[in-house]
Amino acid sequence: AQTVTQSQPEMSVQEAETVTLSCTYDTSESDYYLFWYKQPPSRQMILVIRQEAYKQQNATENRFSVNFQKAAKSFSLKISDSQLGDAAMYFCAYKVFGAGSYQLTFGKGTKLSVIP
Amino acid sequence: GAGVSQSPSNKVTEKGKDVELRCDPISGHTALYWYRQSLGQGLEFLIYFQGNSAPDKSGLPSDRFSAERTGGSVSTLTIQRTQQEDSAVYLCASSLKATGIQAFFGQGTRLTVV
Repeated sequence: AQTVTQSQPEMSVQEAETVTLSCTYDTSESDYYLFWYKQPPSRQMILVIRQEAYKQQNATENRFSVNFQKAAKSFSLKISDSQLGDAAMYFCAYKVFGAGSYQLTFGKGTKLSVIP
Repeated sequence: GAGVSQSPSNKVTEKGKDVELRCDPISGHTALYWYRQSLGQGLEFLIYFQGNSAPDKSGLPSDRFSAERTGGSVSTLTIQRTQQEDSAVYLCASSLKATGIQAFFGQGTRLTVV
């Protein structure tokens, strides 16, 4: 079974600084997707960034980027120029690629606080 | 609709009562998922619907939990004889198809069993 581990229950960062959230996963599959979701107090899960396992290039979305290390099964999220609105729970998630695959497997989350 | 809509937003119920939680997915999305988020935990998969196919109920924690999806659109998650351990946020998500990469989530229903 696939598992996703987030070892940092809480993190904090000064506004405008950079923070990195860690995620490791365990799988025997070779083709899969990895995601970072943000959950603000509104509870709605918002997709921040995704990475296809077959792509070597790390995904980037504006201030958000990932460091994907397939051999190490590591998928960290870097937030640059942190803003107050980045404060939220962040969840790492995994999804197997291909027909019949559908459910997301989530880590337990990291609560990010942004200090003004 | 423009997004996934869930109702009610919050529900407080007495132990032993039955509750129904509703999810209205994005129009045209054939895949619908229910997840449970207990305090301090990640999301736990409950059930999955894809079009007219039989649902995957493998994540339902007990036979007190059931779900249906009428007309391939709106879904209802029913919890019978609620217990305190059922207290959680129940999140619904939909995607364009089963293998759709991106799932869109609703704002969830916070269920409190007292």
